[in-house]
Amino acid sequence: ETGVTQSPTHLIKTRGQQVTLRCSSQSGHNTVSWYQQALGQGPQFIFQYYREEENGRGNFPPRFSGLQFPNYSSELNVNALELDDSALYLCASRIGGYNEQFFGPGTRLTVL
Amino acid sequence: KQEVTQIPAALSVPEGENLVLNCSFTDSAIYNLQWFRQDPGKGLTSLLLIQSSQREQTSGRLNASLDKSSGRSTLYIAASQPGDSATYLCAVANTNAGKSTFGDGTTLTVKP
Repeated sequence: ETGVTQSPTHLIKTRGQQVTLRCSSQSGHNTVSWYQQALGQGPQFIFQYYREEENGRGNFPPRFSGLQFPNYSSELNVNALELDDSALYLCASRIGGYNEQFFGPGTRLTVL
Repeated sequence: KQEVTQIPAALSVPEGENLVLNCSFTDSAIYNLQWFRQDPGKGLTSLLLIQSSQREQTSGRLNASLDKSSGRSTLYIAASQPGDSATYLCAVANTNAGKSTFGDGTTLTVKP
């Protein structure tokens, strides 16, 4: 059984650019959540996907969007990057209906 | 709106000491509470999950308790070791919809 994987590990972008982060769920998990973690803070919920549909969203603007694919892998897209978007982006997967979340190693995004 | 607080923000103890980490939350109508460990720059490792109907969970040297009426959870670590040094985060879910609210964590240093 493989765990949650994320790519890339690190990414550097400039303000105004767009970025796509990727996540592969743990085997058998059909629900994926994305979180943003600023330095020294706890993760903040961005949104969740279940069976390819967004079914929950935190307090993030529409320039944060996502996709979930039939194999339950997921993407997080961020448009018009701002300096404050610099953070560790975490993906978590679980089996829908159960709430133990399993996290990937994260993608460190730096916006210059 | 659920708010989660973890005090203290940092804790330093000598090896072998038993210690307690605290997590408090404002909305007691929770679905579950999960404790995580995070090493610097890494993802989150699930330690213990307590369902709302449970009072405690144990895994090895770790014991987590839940008191919904007072809005508190504690993570007890027995016989601490230098390898326990990390940031410990608690996350509260108010529904089974996957969104969790995190505290900002307690950074633990265990000195040899």
